[in-house]
Amino acid sequence: DAKTTQPTSMDCAEGRAANLPCNHSTISGNEYVYWYRQIHSQGPQYIIHGLKNNETNEMASLIITEDRKSSTLILPHATLRDTAVYYCIVRVPHYGQNFVFGPGTRLSVLP
Amino acid sequence: DSGVTQTPKHLITATGQRVTLRCSPRSGDLSVYWYQQSLDQGLQFLIQYYNGEERAKGNILERFSAQQFPDLHSELNLSSLELGDSALYFCASSVDPTMVPNEQFFGPGTRLTVL
Repeated sequence: DAKTTQPTSMDCAEGRAANLPCNHSTISGNEYVYWYRQIHSQGPQYIIHGLKNNETNEMASLIITEDRKSSTLILPHATLRDTAVYYCIVRVPHYGQNFVFGPGTRLSVLP
Repeated sequence: DSGVTQTPKHLITATGQRVTLRCSPRSGDLSVYWYQQSLDQGLQFLIQYYNGEERAKGNILERFSAQQFPDLHSELNLSSLELGDSALYFCASSVDPTMVPNEQFFGPGTRLTVL
């Protein structure tokens, strides 16, 4: 699995958009980008995934650069409940290819 | 609620002991994964089962073992426990690891404390 690089921590004001970057410069053509988050000590929660195109769901938007070497997770209107550690992961959907969680980005949404 | 259940929620035991953690996957999910999360190591993948068969191994110690039963629930057995085994243990499940996105649904975890 390709390695990812994320900022250690970020702050965001409540109600504003939170933009979380991720670098994955060694990503291969068949690797997907996934985002998960972990609120305090709860189990990680799936947010969104993408291959090439930008994606949006009810939780967030995922912007992937054209060369696929980086991506940005956007939480359009951050709330205090979005305070969590956000993990960017790249992997191939395959039996032996599992999710490798790095240290992630600790997002603090401030009132 | 992800639909994945784990028992027990908390477990306190002594060094040298053996414990069993249990996981029931979401209805319809065939694959189960175990992860360990300690303060200094982050979230580490341990082992994966698919429809009763072991499919992938991560950083799982020889003192640890797991299995997935015909009803698809899974158990993680930890033996000869050491202080350093104190951690949160998460179970996750998914339908099929080869499908996209192979979204993994995580349970609430079991907090193991070894004294």
